[in-house]
Amino acid sequence: DQQVKQNSPSLSVQEGRISILNCDYTNSMFDYFLWYKKYPAEGPTFLISISSIKDKNEDGRFTVFLNKSAKHLSLHIVPSQPGDSAVYFCAASENTGGFKTIFGAGTRLFVKA
Amino acid sequence: DAGVIQSPRHEVTEMGQEVTLRCKPISGHNSLFWYRQTMMRGLELLIYFNNNVPIDDSGMPEDRFSAKMPNASFSTLKIQPSEPRDSAVYFCASSYGDRGTYGYTFGSGTRLTVV
Repeated sequence: DQQVKQNSPSLSVQEGRISILNCDYTNSMFDYFLWYKKYPAEGPTFLISISSIKDKNEDGRFTVFLNKSAKHLSLHIVPSQPGDSAVYFCAASENTGGFKTIFGAGTRLFVKA
Repeated sequence: DAGVIQSPRHEVTEMGQEVTLRCKPISGHNSLFWYRQTMMRGLELLIYFNNNVPIDDSGMPEDRFSAKMPNASFSTLKIQPSEPRDSAVYFCASSYGDRGTYGYTFGSGTRLTVV
């Protein structure tokens, strides 16, 4: 039972265009959401996060949008660059007495030059 | 800071053997997490510690898996006996607090192959 779902295993985008990565979740108790980026042979690195009290958070070329009613979040990268080619993981956490962070399966982004 | 350090980077072992994966978290971080990455299931949380105490081990797949954190600077994940289906990349991560508000810092992972 996957509580965090990334239904697109891969995405290909032309350099300079917008990349949109999507994520759906099922647990309404999640109150904090994060995106991580992972290059081959490295661990994931934190990219951007959003609290459930917000619907948008922006950091440079990266913007995360949260739609709580749809239990959906997305990561927008504008403009996309070849160096953005990586696997992107969506993650969510809830207060269970401690804070458990659940990751999606990841989406591989290819940015073509 | 050298970041989260995991050893070994690669481990190949025969089915039935004991495997021990090691992790040194970032100094000052008080939460430590073990994740496993597979093609089918993505990144799965196995167990996490806060202040060296196991908080949630509900993701540990079987009794064959055990984890310890004897002090703030060291943790181990042990599989005994290992099976081919345990083949995966195992990541250790640490953070200050388990909320992960500013994300966790992951190590580079240990790629385990059980033959």
